[in-house]
Amino acid sequence: NAGVTQTPKFRVLKTGQSMTLLCAQDMNHEYMYWYRQDPGMGLRLIHYSVGEGTTAKGEVPDGYNVSRLKKQNFLLGLESAAPSQTSVYFCASRPGLAGNEQFFGPGTRLTVL
Amino acid sequence: KNQVEQSPQSLIILEGKNCTLQCNYTVSPFSNLRWYKQDTGRGPVSLTIMTFSENTKSNGRYTATLDADTKQSSLHITASQLSDSASYICVVSALGGGYNKLIFGAGTRLAVHP
Repeated sequence: NAGVTQTPKFRVLKTGQSMTLLCAQDMNHEYMYWYRQDPGMGLRLIHYSVGEGTTAKGEVPDGYNVSRLKKQNFLLGLESAAPSQTSVYFCASRPGLAGNEQFFGPGTRLTVL
Repeated sequence: KNQVEQSPQSLIILEGKNCTLQCNYTVSPFSNLRWYKQDTGRGPVSLTIMTFSENTKSNGRYTATLDADTKQSSLHITASQLSDSASYICVVSALGGGYNKLIFGAGTRLAVHP
């Protein structure tokens, strides 16, 4: 049972390049989330999904897109990377709605030059 | 505005000593409060979860308290170990929003020195 995994662990992009971050969970969780963590700030929610085939915007969705084609996978895309998207990205999953904690992946450190 | 503030921002203690981290929040309507531990280069891991009616909860050497009236929580670490060096994040859950919205504090970075 690997829990929540993220690929890649590190990535450096040039401004304007695109990339996709992959999150996978093997716990059969319904809910999945993408956060970004910046120095001196709390984690901020980018997008989330409440089930296969569904996605919704979080607190800071601009510049990102997501897809949840399979229950176990949640993809985060950057179509045209900007230096302001330099951050550490965390994926999390949760079994259901009420009272359940989120389980986090190890993170992806992204640098946009 | 929903906010979670933590203090101190960083803390250095000697191995074996105790310490207390603080969390103040202005989140409404309140659902629950969690403390997470985040090791360097890793994702956060839950330590404790407390609902409105719970005043204290322990997890080994970690004890969390909650005062829902003053909207304050603390995390007390007893007999610190080098492995306690990490960031500790206070997270308050707000009801509503369709996804049980979480508001994250910026964390307290704890360094335990031998």
